[in-house]
Amino acid sequence: DAGVIQSPRHEVTEMGQEVTLRCKPISGHNSLFWYRQTMMRGLELLIYFNNNVPIDDSGMPEDRFSAKMPNASFSTLKIQPSEPRDSAVYFCASSLRGDSYNEQFFGPGTRLTVL
Amino acid sequence: RKEVEQDPGPFNVPEGATVAFNCTYSNSASQSFFWYRQDCRKEPKLLMSVYSSGNEDGRFTAQLNRASQYISLLIRDSKLSDSATYLCVVKHASGGSYIPTFGRGTSLIVHP
Repeated sequence: DAGVIQSPRHEVTEMGQEVTLRCKPISGHNSLFWYRQTMMRGLELLIYFNNNVPIDDSGMPEDRFSAKMPNASFSTLKIQPSEPRDSAVYFCASSLRGDSYNEQFFGPGTRLTVL
Repeated sequence: RKEVEQDPGPFNVPEGATVAFNCTYSNSASQSFFWYRQDCRKEPKLLMSVYSSGNEDGRFTAQLNRASQYISLLIRDSKLSDSATYLCVVKHASGGSYIPTFGRGTSLIVHP
C-alpha cells in the first residue's frame, strides 16, 4: 500500500510567493484532512473534506489559505501570498470514513520554509 | 483554555520503568478518544483508541474518565524504542461529522 502521498516533501520559498502543497489520499478513503504543525501551536486542523466536500474550514488561518479537492484522489492546499509565519510542517491525512472511531493515516508531511 | 491539554514533558525514564501520561479535554460532548505516537521528524501514527471501559494492548493501557474529562496512557516495562511524542486526540460531533482535535503532545525519553 502506498499510503498517503504528499508533495513536495520540502519547500523553500520567498515571502510573497505562491505555494501549492499536494496530497493523494489512500485509495477508497472518503475523508481527507489538512493539518499544520509548529513548535508553538502543535498540530492544528486546517480543513476537513468528506466525499470531496469541505466540511469544516474553521481552522484555515486567513484568506491567503485555500484548499480544494477536485476528486477523490487529489487535494491541494495553496498559500498566496506566503509569509514567514507560514513556515511549518503541513500534513495531509485520510480516513476510510468520517466516523467517530475511524483511524487517520498521515502522509509524511511537507516541510515549508518561507524566507 | 485549549480544548485538549497535555503535559509537554519531557518524561525521562529508565528502561523497564512504568510511566503514565494524562490528557484533559474541555468539550463535554466529545465522542471518541485516541493516542497517537509521533517520532522525531515523522508523521503521527495511531497507537490505540481509547474505549469507555478502558483497553489494553500489550504493554500499553488506555483509560477514559468522562466525569473528570481526561484520558490516560500507561506504558509498562518501557523500551528504548518507546521514546517519542505521544499525542492525545479527541473527536467531537459537528454537523454529522467528527472533528478531531490534537493535544500538543507529551515527550517521552527512555534511557538505558
